[in-house]
Order: sequence, then C-alpha cells, then structure tokens
Amino acid sequence: NAGVTQTPKFQVLKTGQSMTLQCAQDMNHNSMYWYRQDPGMGLRLIYYSASEGTTDKGEVPNGYNVSRLNKREFSLRLESAAPSQTSVYFCASSNPATGLEETQYFGPGTRLLVL
Amino acid sequence: GESVGLHLPTLSVQEGDNSIINCAYSNSASDYFIWYKQESGKGPQFIIDIRSNMDKRQGQRVTVLLNKTVKHLSLQIAATQPGDSAVYFCAENSGGSNYKLTFGKGTLLTVNP
Repeated sequence: NAGVTQTPKFQVLKTGQSMTLQCAQDMNHNSMYWYRQDPGMGLRLIYYSASEGTTDKGEVPNGYNVSRLNKREFSLRLESAAPSQTSVYFCASSNPATGLEETQYFGPGTRLLVL
Repeated sequence: GESVGLHLPTLSVQEGDNSIINCAYSNSASDYFIWYKQESGKGPQFIIDIRSNMDKRQGQRVTVLLNKTVKHLSLQIAATQPGDSAVYFCAENSGGSNYKLTFGKGTLLTVNP
C-alpha cells in the first residue's frame, strides 16, 4: 500500500497561472481532504469530500476548486494563482463511515511557490 | 503547548530522557483526539489516538493522557531518541463532525544526542 500519494512534489507558478494538484489513496477510504500549511499556523482545511460524488468547503476555500474524480482521487485546482497561495498543500483521507476510525492519513505534500 | 504567532513552542531534551508535549483543545464536545508527528519536509504521520471515554492510552513508547475537565491532552514519549525530533501537534474531532479535525499549531521537539 502506497497510502496517500500527491503530485507534483514541488511547483513554481507565476501569478495568474493555473494548475491542478493531484491526490490518490489506495486505502479504500470514503473521505478525502485538502489542507494548506503555512509557517506558524496549523493545518487549515480548504475543501473536503465526505464521500464519492460530494464536496464541501472548508475553512479557506477561496481561490480553489476541487474534483472528486472517483473514490481514489481528489484533485485541487488553482484557477489563477496568487502569491498568497504560496504554501505547502497536503491531501489526506479517512474512513469515518465505519463509525470507528476517524484518523486522517496524510500524503507527503506539494510545495507551491507563486511568484 | 500551542504556538502563538510564527514561532512554535520548542522542547529540547537529551537522548534517553522522557518527553512530555502538551496541547490545550478548544471544544468540550470533541470526542476524538489524535497526535501527529511531522518531520521536516514530510507529511503529518499518525502516532496515537484516544477517544473521550478514555483517560489514557498507550502505544509503543508513547502514551496519551486526556483530561476532559481542563480540556488538556498530553503526549508522553519514553526514552526519547534522535529520530523523535519533529513537530508534534494534536487534532480534535470538534463539533461532532466525523469529517473534520481541528489541528493545533504544534510543538517542535529537539532531541540532543
């Protein structure tokens, strides 16, 4: 099991460019999440998908869109990147439908620099 | 404890000592708590969890203590090793949602050989 994988690992964008961050999990989890992590701050939820076919806004959704492509994949899109979106982005997954396990498992992150 | 501003609280210990990292959580309705370890340049890694119907849970070299009266969580690491050096942060399942966790800002643990 690879767990949660993310691509790319690093990306440099110019202001106004667009890009899509990819995430996939092989744990058959129902729920997937996108977070951003900035220095001195905790992880902040951008969007999440409680189950295949649904997506919801988190704490900081502005400037982002998501797609839950299938149960395995959850992508994050920046349509017009801004310097304020320079951050490290983490994807996570969990399986709360069991009612037992709500632990979120994280990918290795994508480091994004917007110039 | 949790951080304020850009600088994380830090804890520096000698190899072989025990470490205690603290976390104050915010929501008295939270019923599930997790400790994560994050090494430099990597994603958060699950360490141990605890549900609100428990006061203590032990894993391999780690123990989590939960004090619901004062909304306090602690992580104890026994016989700390250099490989334990990382940022540790707690997360709570707040607001009764199965889908959302609220994360603390973390504590930087440095283990001196």
